[in-house]
Amino acid sequence: SQQGEEDPQALSIQEGENATMNCSYKTSINNLQWYRQNSGRGLVHLILIRSNEREKHSGRLRVTLDTSKKSSSLLITASRAADTASYFCATASDTGGSYIPTFGRGTSLIVHP
Amino acid sequence: EAQVTQNPRYLITVTGKKLTVTCSQNMNHEYMSWYRQDPGLGLRQIYYSMNVEVTDKGDVPEGYKVSRKEKRNFPLILESPSPNQTSLYFCASSSRGGSWNEQFFGPGTRLTVL
Repeated sequence: SQQGEEDPQALSIQEGENATMNCSYKTSINNLQWYRQNSGRGLVHLILIRSNEREKHSGRLRVTLDTSKKSSSLLITASRAADTASYFCATASDTGGSYIPTFGRGTSLIVHP
Repeated sequence: EAQVTQNPRYLITVTGKKLTVTCSQNMNHEYMSWYRQDPGLGLRQIYYSMNVEVTDKGDVPEGYKVSRKEKRNFPLILESPSPNQTSLYFCASSSRGGSWNEQFFGPGTRLTVL
């Protein structure tokens, strides 16, 4: 069951520009997480936002969550070539005490130097 | 160093030859899971384990088995691999603490079944 869906699928920008990617999901969640994946490597956790939070910052990352619209956005400010990667949102809802995470298909970000 | 390790990293095998991909974590995490990643499909969960001797199916469990005899290890077993199981596999772990926390991923195992 693919719950989180990222948009756009691909994004190409110049170094220094901001990158915004969005995630939509279908059912109620406990929290939403964003991950980054460099080509062929494991995913790395970036940031977690809880269902009762609306915005969170971590360095150049800004995440928002709108539970009424069931959507989240990840903003990377002042992008660098090293930000080139795929970005995934992951959601989890409590299913009888078990937390089953689901990942979207990802947004592929290319930052040109 | 806190980490999740997987072995092997790369494997080419033939249809029907049983194989095991090992996964080990050194963070004393209760929750472990296996994912496969295919182009255009993102990550899909195969199996997960909430704790020792507790395992359950994810979204795509067919053709796979797992076991959780020790807290640190969570091997993925393909009893009779088929070409449609060619994929990139990731093991992940996280602590529970009453909520779903960040997952730590292994480096991946690229499997090709001929």
